Order: sequence, then C-alpha cells, then structure tokens
Amino acid sequence: EAQVTQNPRYLITVTGKKLTVTCSQNMNHEYMSWYRQDPGLGLRQIYYSMNVEVTDKGDVPEGYKVSRKEKRNFPLILESPSPNQTSLYFCASSSFSYEQYFGPGTRLTVT
Amino acid sequence: GENVEQHPSTLSVQEGDSAVIKCTYSDSASNYFPWYKQELGKRPQLIIDIRSNVGEKKDQRIAVTLNKTAKHFSLHITETQPEDSAVYFCAARNSNSGYALNFGKGTSLLVTP
Repeated sequence: EAQVTQNPRYLITVTGKKLTVTCSQNMNHEYMSWYRQDPGLGLRQIYYSMNVEVTDKGDVPEGYKVSRKEKRNFPLILESPSPNQTSLYFCASSSFSYEQYFGPGTRLTVT
Repeated sequence: GENVEQHPSTLSVQEGDSAVIKCTYSDSASNYFPWYKQELGKRPQLIIDIRSNVGEKKDQRIAVTLNKTAKHFSLHITETQPEDSAVYFCAARNSNSGYALNFGKGTSLLVTP
C-alpha cells in the first residue's frame, strides 16, 4: 500500500530536549516536505527536499533541521525545542504526477 | 513568492445546499491548483485539482473553476451532505520553480442536517 508514515504520532516533551520526528514514504517520490499546521494559519512549509542530499528552507525553517540521506526518509529534527514549536506536523511527498500525499501527522507539545 | 488567499474562513450551509470556496493567487506563472479536504484529526487529502490549461473540472458533486486572467479559482460542492463537513484548503504551485505548494489558510465547512 502506497503511504507516508510518521513517528511518533504524539509527543510531549520539555523545552530544550532534542527530538526527531521520522517520515518515510514507499512511493519512490523525489520530493518530500514538512509542514506545520496551527489554528488560523493553515499549512506552512518548514523544509523541503527535491532529492537525496538536496534540501532547502520553506517559509518557517527557524528552529528546525532536516536531512535526506535516503530517498524514502526525511526526518525532522528539533535541536532545542521551544513552546512556540507546539504544533501539528505533517510530512508529505510527491513526484512528477503532482499529487502530494500527506502522512498522518505528529502532534507535538513542548512544555 | 506566491501568496494564496482563501475565503471565507468559515462556511455553514444546510444539507442539500451548495457551497462555494474561493481562492486568489499572486504568481501569474502558477499552473497547478489542488484542493485538499481535512477531516477532524486526519491528514489533508486531495479531492480535486486543476491545471492551468483547463478552465473547469468536475468530479461528481465537486467542481473547480479557474480564471487565469483574474488569478482566482473556486471549489463548488453541490448537494452538500453532513460528511462534507471538514476544513478545505486550496493551494497553488508554479511547477517551473519546483514542487512547493502554497496553501491558503483553510475554510471550515459545516453542513447541518
């Protein structure tokens, strides 16, 4: 089954404690992206990757890092999380067919 | 960069009525316009999309129209049902400059029986 998976689905952590949210897709997509969703603000892009070892900033990259060492994986790293990074995070992937597939989401709370 | 504005932010209709959500975009080179539906607690899912060489596209009760001159596109849902209640996002992309989708802020649609 074609899918995008994310882990964990829910995470409560404390300020400053490094965390990683994993994202994996099994559709051989070149493009992968991370979004955060906040009430009233829609979906805002954090980082994206056009292919292995090619990443670039989106609209709200501050406080986040990513890596793309393999085509299928695109982890999101928060080196020192802060309360303003409490949000719902979505990973997505697509190829030349245009449709972007979203993962199930990760709800992060930083206290 | 691309700026997508979406209206209204909330919309309440009675079951069986039609619903229309409108979006405008700023980049005249944008050529792909998808609409996503997000049910409560779930991921956004593509419901319909349109490319810039087409003016209208229909899929059963939903349709999308595109006016390239005015740089706006709309989602039309006819004969609404309670299960249409969700948040709808429009998006725009200039495929010549990559795959990034620029999303509107969303419309919360409530269909009351």
